Amino acid sequence: TQLLEQSPQFLSIQEGENLTVYCNSSSVFSSLQWYRQEPGEGPVLLVTVVTGGEVKKLKRLTFQFGDARKDSSLHITAAQPGDTGLYLCAGARDYKLSFGAGTTVTVRA
Amino acid sequence: SQTIHQWPATLVQPVGSPLSLECTVEGTSNPNLYWYRQAAGRGLQLLFYSVGIGQISSEVPQNLSASRPQDRQFILSSKKLLLSDSGFYLCAWTSGVGSTDTQYFGPGTRLTVL
Repeated sequence: TQLLEQSPQFLSIQEGENLTVYCNSSSVFSSLQWYRQEPGEGPVLLVTVVTGGEVKKLKRLTFQFGDARKDSSLHITAAQPGDTGLYLCAGARDYKLSFGAGTTVTVRA
Repeated sequence: SQTIHQWPATLVQPVGSPLSLECTVEGTSNPNLYWYRQAAGRGLQLLFYSVGIGQISSEVPQNLSASRPQDRQFILSSKKLLLSDSGFYLCAWTSGVGSTDTQYFGPGTRLTVL
């Protein structure tokens, strides 16, 4: 059973469009991290959100942490082909991360 | 700077054969170390983690085992591989116990069991 549910599983959009990926859980986490993974490589951290209600912006990427620290979203504005990849959310508790199943994002030129 | 190495990069093994995957970290001391398995295009399943030499915690009962013989070395093993052991194996490290600590991942090992 996945502790973190990500939706949608797949997302294919045209360059310049916006997209949102959701990460939901019934559990409370100390923090929530978002990673991006290219095929055949390990995931790379994009951002960590810690405080309920927190919003972080990283250029065209906006990350939100829910007030109850159970859910999060990733919004990409004006997506580019370079944004293509597998986006993973992960909830932190104790020494460990619990990962969602991932959202495969494809941005067509 | 810190670096994490995994080898081999790719491995094809017959069912019933043994397995040994190695992970080493450079440039840090006493890291927390992790082994994950990932199915194609999917999320990561935590297999083992270690907070110190000889200390191994198993998350999922399975055909695999892990060992940490040195501070910066983490080994994933199996005595007899199953078809279901195929996947992408990732090693990761963190520097502390804080919930905001970044996990740094190695390049991974693609294992195919035939």
